[in-house]
Amino acid sequence: EIVLTQSPGTLSLSPGERATLSCRASQRVNSGSLAWYQQKPGQAPRLLIYGASSRVTGIPDRFSGSGSGTDFILTISRLEPEDFAVYYCQYYGDSPRYIFGQGTKLEIK
Amino acid sequence: QVQLVESGGGLVKPGGSLRLSCAASGFTFSDDYMSWVRQASGKGLEWISYISGSGTTIYYAESLKGRFTISRDNAKNVLYLQMSSLRAEDAAVYYCARDHCSKGVCYQDYWGQGTPVTVSS
Repeated sequence: EIVLTQSPGTLSLSPGERATLSCRASQRVNSGSLAWYQQKPGQAPRLLIYGASSRVTGIPDRFSGSGSGTDFILTISRLEPEDFAVYYCQYYGDSPRYIFGQGTKLEIK
Repeated sequence: QVQLVESGGGLVKPGGSLRLSCAASGFTFSDDYMSWVRQASGKGLEWISYISGSGTTIYYAESLKGRFTISRDNAKNVLYLQMSSLRAEDAAVYYCARDHCSKGVCYQDYWGQGTPVTVSS
């Protein structure tokens, strides 16, 4: 079974800075099956990126996804106050169908 | 616009059962896979199950197979999750989500607000 490991667990940055969040798979995966979600306290997750690098309509272009094989990155180019949240990567595979990483909490420094 | 509204959560005793519902609107419900995902307090997301638009294809997380049953009523635009033999570790917020599937790949593009389940005596 594939395991997704996100790092760091917590990332402390200031507004305006660049955030780089990592998601590493325990074996090579189809990049088309890798998605990123944002979750704010008390809210449902929101899809940001699918297919490793395709941004959902309406998501600001400061969010970008990249990677292939086992290593994937979510980059937020210039942090806005509303970007501080927990971010999850997700893989759609065979069994189980969906796997989530454990999340990275992006907090204000 | 797409709306997903969960209901049916609440307090249940260990060993008890509960049925969650998710009312869908704003899209052709029968066209889409639907998933249940849960999140224990302070923890990450855990996918539970998904069901095809017709209801003929169903997958479960291995750890939950046998206790949880997903189903849907396309005439009523409602998704269900029947949970039985509930344990303390099943306490969580339960989300329904629409699966967008294309070219053999799926992801959850719309989510409900969640319904909380507490398992306690």
